Formats: sequence, structure tokens, C-alpha cells
Amino acid sequence: DGGITQSPKYLFRKEGQNVTLSCEQNLNHDAMYWYRQDPGQGLRLIYYSQIVNDFQKGDIAEGYSVSREKKESFPLTVTSAQKNPTAFYLCASSRQGMPDTQYFGPGTRLTVL
Amino acid sequence: GDSVTQMEGPVTLSEEAFLTINCTYTATGYPSLFWYVQYPGEGLQLLLKATKADDKGSNKGFEATYRKETTSFHLEKGSVQVSDSAVYFCALESGNEKLTFGTGTRLTIIP
Repeated sequence: DGGITQSPKYLFRKEGQNVTLSCEQNLNHDAMYWYRQDPGQGLRLIYYSQIVNDFQKGDIAEGYSVSREKKESFPLTVTSAQKNPTAFYLCASSRQGMPDTQYFGPGTRLTVL
Repeated sequence: GDSVTQMEGPVTLSEEAFLTINCTYTATGYPSLFWYVQYPGEGLQLLLKATKADDKGSNKGFEATYRKETTSFHLEKGSVQVSDSAVYFCALESGNEKLTFGTGTRLTIIP
């Protein structure tokens, strides 16, 4: 089955540690996205990538980093510089130039203790 | 910049009631409009969309009409079911290859 995999579903880290969230897709999509979801604030775009080896900052990129070395993978690193990292993180992918075809993964809930 | 304003929740209805969730937007040009649904513990799924003025998107008994004159895209369903309980997001895309989401509306249907 084609889809997007995010792992793990729940992740706990101590304050001050970097943590990397995984996102893999087998839909052959060129574009991939990372969103952060907080209660009462909807989804906010962190980073997106339209093609391998290229990515752009979204609306709230500070304290996060990404890489896009393979078409299928778009890992997100939450660094210690992110002031409020506890949130639900959603990854999505779409055909290039067609953001309205975004498919979403099941999400990872990160809790920083 | 682009923005989406959604009716604040939570919304609680009895089964078979009529549902309306309001959504208005601000955007440059002529955006495409979407409703996404998020069931508990899951990612988002596209529910319906409309790409130009006066278009009506529909799916699973839900409908929304793109109203350019009122910059609105309200979600409606004539008779809701318990299985419709979820969070609903209105969103737009205005040609910059990014989606802008509203804050979401939590809907709970009581049997």
C-alpha cells in the first residue's frame, strides 16, 4: 500500500537534546512538508521541499532543521534552540506543483520533559 | 498574507442534526479552498475542495460552496452521524505551493 510513514508515534526527550523525527513516503511524490499542530492554532508550516536536495523555510522554521537527500525521506530535527518543542508533528507529501494533493502521515507526538 | 478564519469550537450536536462550520478567508488572487478532516490520533484527510468561485465541493454527505463575494467556504451536512466526530480544518492555496490552514473545529456527535 502506498502512503506516508512517521515514526515513532510517541517520542519523549529531555530538554536540551536534539531529536529527529522520521518521515518516509512511497507515493513517488516530489514535494514533502512538515507541519506543527498545537491546540487552538491549527497547522503551521515548518519546512517544505519541492525536490531532492532543496528545501525552503515555512512560517515557523526557527529551531528546526531538515534534509532531503532522498526523494522518499524528509527527516525533521528539533534542535535545543526550539523554545517550545512539545507538539504534534505532521508530515505530508504531494505531487510537485500540486499542494492541494497533499497526503498526510499519522503524525508524531513529541513531548519534551 | 493569506489567512483562514474558522468558527471556534468545540461544536457538540445530536445525531441527525444539521451541521454548519463557518470558514472565511483572506488571500491574494483566486485561491483554491479545502476542507480536511482529522480523526482522533490520525493525520489529516482531504474531505472536499473547490477551485473557483461558485464551485461546490462534496463528499460523504458534506458540502461547501466557494463564495467569492463573501470570501467564505462554509461546511455543511444535513444529518450528522457519530462517526463524523473529528476535527475539521478549512484551508486555502493561492498559487504559492503552500497550504494555509485555519485553527480547526472539533466536532462531537452525541448518539
